[in-house]
Parts: sequence; C-alpha cells; structure tokens
Amino acid sequence: QVQLQESGPGQVKPPGTLSLTCAVSGASISSNYCWTWVRQPPGKGLEWIGEICPGGNTNYNPSLKSRVTISVDKSKNQFSLKLSSVTAADTAVYYCARGGLWRFDPWGQGTLVTVSS
Amino acid sequence: QSALTQPASVSGSPGQSITISCTGTSSDVGGYNHVSWYQQHPGKAPKLMIYEVTNRPSGVPDRFSGSKSGNTASLAISGLQAEDEADYYCTSYTTSSSWVFGGGTKLTVL
Repeated sequence: QVQLQESGPGQVKPPGTLSLTCAVSGASISSNYCWTWVRQPPGKGLEWIGEICPGGNTNYNPSLKSRVTISVDKSKNQFSLKLSSVTAADTAVYYCARGGLWRFDPWGQGTLVTVSS
Repeated sequence: QSALTQPASVSGSPGQSITISCTGTSSDVGGYNHVSWYQQHPGKAPKLMIYEVTNRPSGVPDRFSGSKSGNTASLAISGLQAEDEADYYCTSYTTSSSWVFGGGTKLTVL
C-alpha cells in the first residue's frame, strides 16, 4: 500500500522560501510514476503546482513556474517542493500525490503552511 | 491557464441521481481523455473517483460514473447516499503539459 506524508514548517515569513518534503512508503520514488504537488487555500479549490516525472523531467503550473522547484531525493525515497518569494496568497494546505497514468492517487494527508510575518 | 468551470453547488435527495458538469476548452477537456474526478470531505485529502473520463478505481461504487462530450466532462452519481455529501473536483491535462482543476462543486444530500 503506497502512502505519502508531507512535512515542513507550518509558517513561513514573506518574502521567504516555502520548503516541503513528501516521504513515500510502499513504492520506490524511482518507479515509473510522476510525483505531484497540489495546494488548496483555506476555503478555496485545488490548484496544481507541478510534478517531477521519470528521468527528472519537471512540469510546473505556468502561473507559478518562475517560483517553483520540485526535486527528488532517491536516497531518502522522497521528493520536495520549494516555492520562493512567498506572500500571504501562498497560504494553503499543500498536498503531495503520486501522478502518472493520468491520475493523482494516492494523496498525502496535507499540511497547512501559513505565510505571515 | 483558467480553471475548468463547475457549478458551485448541486443537491439531491437520498436515492436520487445528480450530475456535475466540468467545462473547459479544446486545449484541455476537449483535447484529451485525461479527465479525472476527486471527492473531498471536509478536512480530508481528495480521493480519486474517476480517471480517464470513465474509469473507476477499485473500491469506488458503481453508482459513480463519468462521461465526456466535446469540451464538457460530467460526473454522475446515482442512488445518492448521505456519505456522498462532499466537494467534487474535476481535473484535465492540458496542451501546456500541465494540469488544471475545476473550481469545485459542493454536493448536498438533502
């Protein structure tokens, strides 16, 4: 059974960098899947942030592309998200999910990150 | 990229059927069969309900079904149950090699 677990600081000061990690268990991060980040501002809908796919290929939301970096750490079987120059608008629950095969499944439980000085 | 368009809310009584629409463009919904649907209960992570327009993952009741016509995809739920009350989101792959979600639909079971 594949499980994902997000971790990282719950608060970030603007205009700093938000950094989160997603630990994967039950599957190899090197398998033939993409690994995805999605966020959800409080009371609002889901927004796709980006993904890292086999071979290290990355795809990002065009509206966030200039600020986002997604990377993989094979030695720890985890992947990470970095979002720079954060503002209050980046306050959200951040989810990681396994992508590939044209679906996102399963998802992590999510972690709330608040951007505030 | 603009979010896919979903109705803000739908409702139905137990046992009834409802449909949630998801409208995009030829650059996303209309251009690919890579449309999926997610159910989200309050405070919980989204759960995959339908993928590739019509496919149900194992464990999802066959009361849930998906379809697509042109630039609009739809999620149908028959035999509504109280546990179906949740938010539902569609998503589609796009010509920008990215994914776009719908704004979400709140389903109320009366």
